[in-house]
Amino acid sequence: KNEVEQSPQNLTAQEGEFITINCSYSVGISALHWLQQHPGGGIVSLFMLSSGKKKHGRLIATINIQEKHSSLHITASHPRDSAVYICAVRSLGGGADGLTFGKGTHLIIQP
Amino acid sequence: DGGITQSPKYLFRKEGQNVTLSCEQNLNHDAMYWYRQDPGQGLRLIYYSQIVNDFQKGDIAEGYSVSREKKESFPLTVTSAQKNPTAFYLCASSISGLAGQRFNEQFFGPGTRLTVL
Repeated sequence: KNEVEQSPQNLTAQEGEFITINCSYSVGISALHWLQQHPGGGIVSLFMLSSGKKKHGRLIATINIQEKHSSLHITASHPRDSAVYICAVRSLGGGADGLTFGKGTHLIIQP
Repeated sequence: DGGITQSPKYLFRKEGQNVTLSCEQNLNHDAMYWYRQDPGQGLRLIYYSQIVNDFQKGDIAEGYSVSREKKESFPLTVTSAQKNPTAFYLCASSISGLAGQRFNEQFFGPGTRLTVL
């Protein structure tokens, strides 16, 4: 079973700072997801990637398959970015049995 | 608008009672999933369904039951056999549940917070 570790668990930063959240996993994957969960609980999918890098607005996600590691970056952070960011992976050969999730990184951006 | 709806947002039940959580999607997705979230833990898979009239147990299926009679609906019943049912429950769907990552992106509902008194 894949083990997904995220760091840091909690992160508080000032508005405008560059943010990096890390995710590592133990077993080969077919895809990695970055998700955002707001205080109300609903989850939004930010990225799904299996190689390289993706960018959407101020968010950038990278993955290194050899090192089994992914990072989520936020440029010019803003208080509205405050949320829990969750990394999730689909293991190779994992079929249709869902994703394995990290515990999340609780991000607070202070104005 | 297309999406996933879960109702209600908050649910309170007495210990020993069965309760059913609703999940509906109008995305025409084949696969649907139920996850449970507890404080300080990652989401854990309860049940999943790749197609109508078929479903499989996830990692923590004990004390739960599901049905998939319609493509758009995947209700979860929390039975009295579930020892610690108070949690946040999330439903998700994807175009296909089969391997092939292009179709595996999961879309999540807003969740139901169940409290058993």
